[in-house]
Amino acid sequence: GQNIDQPTEMTATEGAIVQINCTYQTSGFNGLFWYQQHAGEAPTFLSYNVLDGLEEKGRFSSFLSRSKGYSYLLLKELQMKDSASYLCAVDKIIFGKGTRLHILP
Amino acid sequence: DARVTQTPRHKVTEMGQEVTMRCQPILGHNTVFWYRQTMMQGLELLAYFRNRAPLDDSGMPKDRFSAEMPDATLATLKIQPSEPRDSAVYFCASVLAGGSYEQYFGPGTRLTVT
Repeated sequence: GQNIDQPTEMTATEGAIVQINCTYQTSGFNGLFWYQQHAGEAPTFLSYNVLDGLEEKGRFSSFLSRSKGYSYLLLKELQMKDSASYLCAVDKIIFGKGTRLHILP
Repeated sequence: DARVTQTPRHKVTEMGQEVTMRCQPILGHNTVFWYRQTMMQGLELLAYFRNRAPLDDSGMPKDRFSAEMPDATLATLKIQPSEPRDSAVYFCASVLAGGSYEQYFGPGTRLTVT
């Protein structure tokens, strides 16, 4: 079957770094995607990984290891506006339930 | 600026009524997705189209849901008859297949079936 697991909630401090993990069980896929969703709004695309390794995009980076069935999203220099849910998805088709990130001042 | 639009933004209806939701993808995008989001289930893919042809609608209850793309600028999702368990936010999203992987979501239609 296909399943994606993410922590339900995380808390971090403004200015710090946080890593949101995502594990998946799927037989094959093209890309692993990350989205940000603020409460009451639509998801917005953050990043994707096709190959293993780290993809950096400003304050956000995403990592993929296909052999380990594992990805993470790394957020640096946290800002209050980063308080949101972060969704991990396989091929834009199977989504995790999301990780609610709370940023403390 | 280019964006995905959805109508209506909110819909309240009674059980048994037909509901039609519309989506206008970004001009030039050839792949359109319909998703449903609830607190319990999270974000689920209902169906998606490429170049107006349905590629996957396995996530959609076939007996009551139907999705179509009458033309490249319009995607529709219909529920007939609607049931209270269909209450959710329905998102449309579009992307240019073969281009950037960046997928753009519409603002969603919040459906309440009483």
